[in-house]
Amino acid sequence: GNSVTQMEGPVTLSEEAFLTINCTYTATGYPSLFWYVQYPGEGLQLLLKATKADDKGSNKGFEATYRKETTSFHLEKGSVQVSDSAVYFCALKGQKLVFGQGTRLTINP
Amino acid sequence: DAGITQSPRHKVTETGTPVTLRCHQTENHRYMYWYRQDPGHGLRLIHYSYGVKDTDKGEVSDGYSVSRSKTEDFLLTLESATSSQTSVYFCAISESLLADNEQFFGPGTRLTVL
Repeated sequence: GNSVTQMEGPVTLSEEAFLTINCTYTATGYPSLFWYVQYPGEGLQLLLKATKADDKGSNKGFEATYRKETTSFHLEKGSVQVSDSAVYFCALKGQKLVFGQGTRLTINP
Repeated sequence: DAGITQSPRHKVTETGTPVTLRCHQTENHRYMYWYRQDPGHGLRLIHYSYGVKDTDKGEVSDGYSVSRSKTEDFLLTLESATSSQTSVYFCAISESLLADNEQFFGPGTRLTVL
């Protein structure tokens, strides 16, 4: 079945550092890929998505490219801020949404 | 923000008691979902609904039942709560099952079973 693997957390960075959170997937068919973000005490919000191979999703300075050849959808941001501290979930969707385990990110000033 | 509310937001109960969590939406979306969130597991699907009175099981459905008597409400019931059901529960909605269709999430209910 479909599955998603994210890099283990927690991840701690200093403000303005470069961020990469790795995500790889196993899937049949033509799934869409998503990154969701969960701020403390809140539900999940869609951060970005990509619906086919080579698509790049972007939002709030974050980017991720749907790489079919490496079955990856890594999340990147060039310069993180304290306000980016949250838990990030990579997810894959055929008919159902399948989540990775989440990566907790903490940004220190 | 999508109009999704969950109630209660926090609940503490004892082992063996029944518990019902409610999800209410104002978006008129056809599909509704219940997930549980546990450390190291991300979110896992418990049950989902594809219309009034139409429901199906997810990957972790044992010990849970659901009901949907109106488009806007989706109830999750723990018939006899156990400590392993201590978790944060999220409701979600979507317009379709198409792969590119986003799911919108509610704020969550934190359930503690003592």
